[in-house]
Amino acid sequence: DTEVTQTPKHLVMGMTNKKSLKCEQHMGHRAMYWYKQKAKKPPELMFVYSYEKLSINESVPSRFSPECPNSSLLNLHLHALQPEDSALYLCASSQVTTGDSPLHFGNGTRLTVT
Amino acid sequence: QKEVEQNSGPLSVPEGAIASLNCTYSDRGSQSFFWYRQYSGKSPELIMFIYSNGDKEDGRFTAQLNKASQYVSLLIRDSQPSDSATYLCAVNRVNFNKFYFGSGTKLNVKP
Repeated sequence: DTEVTQTPKHLVMGMTNKKSLKCEQHMGHRAMYWYKQKAKKPPELMFVYSYEKLSINESVPSRFSPECPNSSLLNLHLHALQPEDSALYLCASSQVTTGDSPLHFGNGTRLTVT
Repeated sequence: QKEVEQNSGPLSVPEGAIASLNCTYSDRGSQSFFWYRQYSGKSPELIMFIYSNGDKEDGRFTAQLNKASQYVSLLIRDSQPSDSATYLCAVNRVNFNKFYFGSGTKLNVKP
């Protein structure tokens, strides 16, 4: 079983909806990540939080809004998405790295925008 | 030039053979190297990581790192049909929380 839990597993939303993806980890990791993965492509980094502060934003459109309420939780708020935003959204965590801590992924949320 | 390059495959090997997966990276500052396995529709699963030049073995898996050549590989011995998946190579640099992924190599192990 994965130690990073993502909910929901599947989400279908319209372009005018507002929804949120949730991620929780209890491994004591202080770095948390959002990745987006399209079919047959590698994971694409969106955001990184380090010690609950946003440290990396890979020029993600503002219709994606991350939030890190505490060291165990990570949210991704979605608003006015486009059909091309349909993808597998992966949450991951790691120790705040010196570079030698692997990413631990959750099972992902399969998002479909209609 | 991409940060991490992998042959997309598919790489087909018969059951019981050794599968060899390769990865090159462009940044000489890269310090940590990871192999993930991803089944279709699932999330990536960590297989191995390696930081030092040489070989690292874990069961049927061996990771090999050559920093001078900027090359990392994964050998899977006694390949099983259940090993059929896409294998992602990832690299990271010290003091960065930014992992660069290769495009993945699809492995097919034929019974």
